[in-house]
Amino acid sequence: EAGVAQSPRYKIIEKRQSVAFWCNPISGHATLYWYQQILGQGPKLLIQFQNNGVVDDSQLPKDRFSAERLKGVDSTLKIQPAKLEDSAVYLCASSPPSRPNEKLFFGSGTQLSVL
Amino acid sequence: DQQVKQNSPSLSVQEGRISILNCDYTNSMFDYFLWYKKYPAEGPTFLISISSIKDKNEDGRFTVFLNKSAKHLSLHIVPSQPGDSAVYFCAASFNKFYFGSGTKLNVKP
Repeated sequence: EAGVAQSPRYKIIEKRQSVAFWCNPISGHATLYWYQQILGQGPKLLIQFQNNGVVDDSQLPKDRFSAERLKGVDSTLKIQPAKLEDSAVYLCASSPPSRPNEKLFFGSGTQLSVL
Repeated sequence: DQQVKQNSPSLSVQEGRISILNCDYTNSMFDYFLWYKKYPAEGPTFLISISSIKDKNEDGRFTVFLNKSAKHLSLHIVPSQPGDSAVYFCAASFNKFYFGSGTKLNVKP
């Protein structure tokens, strides 16, 4: 079974530039999450999708971050414009429809450095 | 509002001995608790979980204990191996997942 796919693995940009991350969840997983993990902290939820609808985006800085999951499968997360404090690992995760609270599968993440 | 806390940022254990990682939570509505292992430059990998209706779950060298009255869970690794050296995150779920800040485990040969 293929895992959660993310790209790119690394990205270096200057502040005020824009960046986009892509995620393809495990096949059949209806719930998709984007997390931000700052060094030394646990993953922090940015947005949760159920199919192509947003379930929770209360922690998403909507003035600069946006995310979409148009066909209920893959998803993109965008930052525009980036700030220095956005330097972090951005993790995509998905959970199976039968046990959405029981298990969460992560991708390898995108390490973003904003200079 | 940190609902899941790991108060020990690091732990060092000798190979072959037991590693005990601890986690506290505040929300009694959580229905599942999970442990993840993370190596540098990789995403967190699921290790083991436990339902809130149980007090113990075992999988090979890994055992998770849940004490609901104390709102505390722990992960025991026996015996510890150098390859277990990583950052361990505990998580709790109720509609969404909440993560602790992680404990860095170092298993010395």
